[in-house]
Amino acid sequence: GDSVTQMEGPVTLSEEAFLTINCTYTATGYPSLFWYVQYPGEGLQLLLKATKADDKGSNKGFEATYRKETTSFHLEKGSVQVSDSAVYFCALVYNQGGKLIFGQGTELSVKP
Amino acid sequence: GAVVSQHPSRVICKSGTSVKIECRSLDFQATTMFWYRQFPKQSLMLMATSNEGSKATYEQGVEKDKFLINHASLTLSTLTVTSAHPEDSSFYICSASNPSSSHNEQFFGPGTRLTVL
Repeated sequence: GDSVTQMEGPVTLSEEAFLTINCTYTATGYPSLFWYVQYPGEGLQLLLKATKADDKGSNKGFEATYRKETTSFHLEKGSVQVSDSAVYFCALVYNQGGKLIFGQGTELSVKP
Repeated sequence: GAVVSQHPSRVICKSGTSVKIECRSLDFQATTMFWYRQFPKQSLMLMATSNEGSKATYEQGVEKDKFLINHASLTLSTLTVTSAHPEDSSFYICSASNPSSSHNEQFFGPGTRLTVL
């Protein structure tokens, strides 16, 4: 079945460091891919998305490229801030408007 | 636009009581809403998919008599945890699918923290 795998956390970085959170997926079709962010005690917010191969999603300095050849959607940011500390979830939707399939989440902690 | 609210944000109840959680789409009509459960430091587990005017579709292993879902209107879905026990304590999150947005994007509520004593 379809699944999403993220790199294990927690990830601890110093402010202004470069961030990469790896995400790979398995899917039988052509899913849309998402990154969601969850701040402590809150629900999920959509961070960025890509709907087809080679699309790049970007928002708030974060970006991720839909790589069909490597079935990956790695999240990157050039310079993280303390306020980026949160849990990041990679997800796919195989059928539009259907069920989201989430990775296990990666906790990011950014120290001043 | 595309705001989803949940009420209450936090609830503490005694074992054996029932608790109702509301999920509302505030500025759009959601034909489909989803209910998730999240344990500490874990991912979201889909419990059920709720379509307006029809019975919810539950995921394998989720007791439909324990977690009653009602989607009576295009802007409201409710989850009732019946005869709650301490093991039902969790963070419950709903999402709503907006058919007007690209690819029926889901929008998430802020979550409800349930503690059963």
